[in-house]
Amino acid sequence: SQQGEEDPQALSIQEGENATMNCSYKTSINNLQWYRQNSGRGLVHLILIRSNEREKHSGRLRVTLDTSKKSSSLLITASRAADTASYFCATAEDSSYKLIFGSGTRLLVRP
Amino acid sequence: GAVVSQHPSRVICKSGTSVKIECRSLDFQATTMFWYRQFPKQSLMLMATSNEGSKATYEQGVEKDKFLINHASLTLSTLTVTSAHPEDSSFYICSAPTHGSQETQYFGPGTRLLVL
Repeated sequence: SQQGEEDPQALSIQEGENATMNCSYKTSINNLQWYRQNSGRGLVHLILIRSNEREKHSGRLRVTLDTSKKSSSLLITASRAADTASYFCATAEDSSYKLIFGSGTRLLVRP
Repeated sequence: GAVVSQHPSRVICKSGTSVKIECRSLDFQATTMFWYRQFPKQSLMLMATSNEGSKATYEQGVEKDKFLINHASLTLSTLTVTSAHPEDSSFYICSAPTHGSQETQYFGPGTRLLVL
């Protein structure tokens, strides 16, 4: 079953703007990850944040994690048309490496 | 380059036939692989964990007799959709833990199955 929800379900922004996506989950976690999926393709890992971390950066990506609220956010700064894709959060509950995915956010960046 | 491949990328079959999908790890060994199903504009649903040399572990609600998984080698897992029906039409994706951290995963490019 899916771990949780992401919002918004869809987001349309202008190139250069920032995009923020939120993810909520239900159980305790070992880590939370964000993945990107281009239409009809496999997923690409973007960033991982551990349960004892609150914020992490990677290039134009910024991820926050609030374990008390069981939520995470992904911020993409200075968006580009090439950022157009679906973004999924995924949680790992333990060391089994099994990932449970959120519902995803479809991001459209208009040139 | 791609580190996990899937074959075929697309398959169309008649209702009642069986379809085999291969997932290969390239240049690394994967004792564990995962199989997901994704319906249009929806998220990935974990179907099963494929374990090299032992039986697969299926998620609740996934019929093990319908979705046969074989992990015969350290680089190959296969998913066979038996007696496929139109409702089995979906995008099937496999993944393997990365050979570095093991916490993240490499995903295959997916296989689109259409059952007529």
